[in-house]
Amino acid sequence: EAGVAQSPRYKIIEKRQSVAFWCNPISGHATLYWYQQILGQGPKLLIQFQNNGVVDDSQLPKDRFSAERLKGVDSTLKIQPAKLEDSAVYLCASSLSRAGEQYFGPGTRLTVT
Amino acid sequence: AQSVAQPEDQVNVAEGNPLTVKCTYSVSGNPYLFWYVQYPNRGLQFLLKYITGDNLVKGSYGFEAEFNKSQTSFHLKKPSALVSDSALYFCAVRDRPRDDKIIFGKGTRLHILP
Repeated sequence: EAGVAQSPRYKIIEKRQSVAFWCNPISGHATLYWYQQILGQGPKLLIQFQNNGVVDDSQLPKDRFSAERLKGVDSTLKIQPAKLEDSAVYLCASSLSRAGEQYFGPGTRLTVT
Repeated sequence: AQSVAQPEDQVNVAEGNPLTVKCTYSVSGNPYLFWYVQYPNRGLQFLLKYITGDNLVKGSYGFEAEFNKSQTSFHLKKPSALVSDSALYFCAVRDRPRDDKIIFGKGTRLHILP
């Protein structure tokens, strides 16, 4: 079974630039999550999709972050414009259901200079 | 709102000894509880979960965890540690059914000493 795919694996941008991350979940997984993991901290949920609908985006900085999951499969997370404090690993995860265990992708390490 | 605490930043255990990684939680309803492990340069991997039923949950790689409702704890345990168990461990909680958001602890780094 293929795991959760993410790209790119690494990205370096300057502040005020924009960046986009892509995630392809495990086939058949209805729930998709985006997390931000800052060094030394646990993952922080940014947004959760159930199929192509948003279940929770209460911790998403909506003035600069956006995410979509068209057709209920893969998803993109965008930051525009980036700030220095956005430097982190962005993790995508998927699960069969809201109560199920999550399967994580390898993450995208973002460095904002 | 739910919360989860991992009181130890780091735990050191000699190989072959039993290990415990602590986790306590706070929810308004009944919890779903999870443990994940993160190896260097790799993504998080699911270890085990408590949803309902038996308080002792067995998971991957010989790990187990005990749900204690009165102490609001869900400590991760293993009878005999291996050097390969060295990694970063995260406890996570979801307050069911009223809140779908999952909250992760800050993580505990486990060092198994040869």
